[in-house]
Amino acid sequence: DIQMTQSPSSLSASIGDRVTITCRASQTLSKYLHWYQQKSGQAPRLLIYDVSTLKSGVPSRFSGSGSGTDFTLTISSLQPEDFATYYCQQSFSTPTFGPGTKVDIK
Amino acid sequence: QVQLQESGPGLVKPSQTLSLTCSVSGGSISSGGYYWSWIRQPAGKGLEWIGRIYPSGSTNYNPSLKSRVTISADTPKNQFSLNLNSVTAADTAVYYCAREGFSMFGANVFDIWGQGTMVTVSP
Repeated sequence: DIQMTQSPSSLSASIGDRVTITCRASQTLSKYLHWYQQKSGQAPRLLIYDVSTLKSGVPSRFSGSGSGTDFTLTISSLQPEDFATYYCQQSFSTPTFGPGTKVDIK
Repeated sequence: QVQLQESGPGLVKPSQTLSLTCSVSGGSISSGGYYWSWIRQPAGKGLEWIGRIYPSGSTNYNPSLKSRVTISADTPKNQFSLNLNSVTAADTAVYYCAREGFSMFGANVFDIWGQGTMVTVSP
C-alpha cells in the first residue's frame, strides 16, 4: 500500500488567512492525488482532483499543487464555511487517504 | 443528479456479518464509466477504502479486508451491497458508499458520496 501523511494534523486560523496543508506519499503518484473536505457529521466532498483541477462549483480560493510525492492544498483566504477536515487521497494504486488536517477557528 | 443512500442495521453482534445496501438514484450502476465503492470511517479517525464493484460485476477489495469482504450488485434494483463477516469492535464505523468517476488523466476519484450510516459492533 502507498502510505499517505499530512501536516499539520490540525491548525487554527482566522478568517481571511492563507492556509496551506501538505500531503506526502510513500511513492511517486504522478497525477493521482486528490483532496476532499469533510465537515462535521457530513460525508467527504471532492474538492480537487489530479493534483490541481478544481471540481466544478468549488470556490477558486482553493488550489492544489505539487508533484512526485509532495503535494499542497492552499486556501487563499479562509472563509467561515472552510472550517473542516481536509484529506488527501491517492488513486495510483489501492486507494488510500491521508490522516486528515483539521482546520478550526483561531 | 445522482444520489446514493446507505441502509442497513445500525448494530451488529461480534462474529456476525455486517450487511449494508447502497441505493443509487439518478443513474444506473450497470452503465459504463463509473465504479461503485464502499469506504468506512471509525469515529474521530480517517477514511479506509473497503472495495469496489465494476459495471461488469467484478470486484476489487482492500487487501487488509479481502478475506472478510464481499461486494455485490442488484442491477434491477440499482443497488450494490457490502457484506463484512466475522466483525469485531474494530469494525465499528460510519460506512459510506461512493461513486468512482474518472478524470481526464484516468484517475479514479470518489466524486459522489452517500450520507453514511453508523454501524456499531457490540454484544
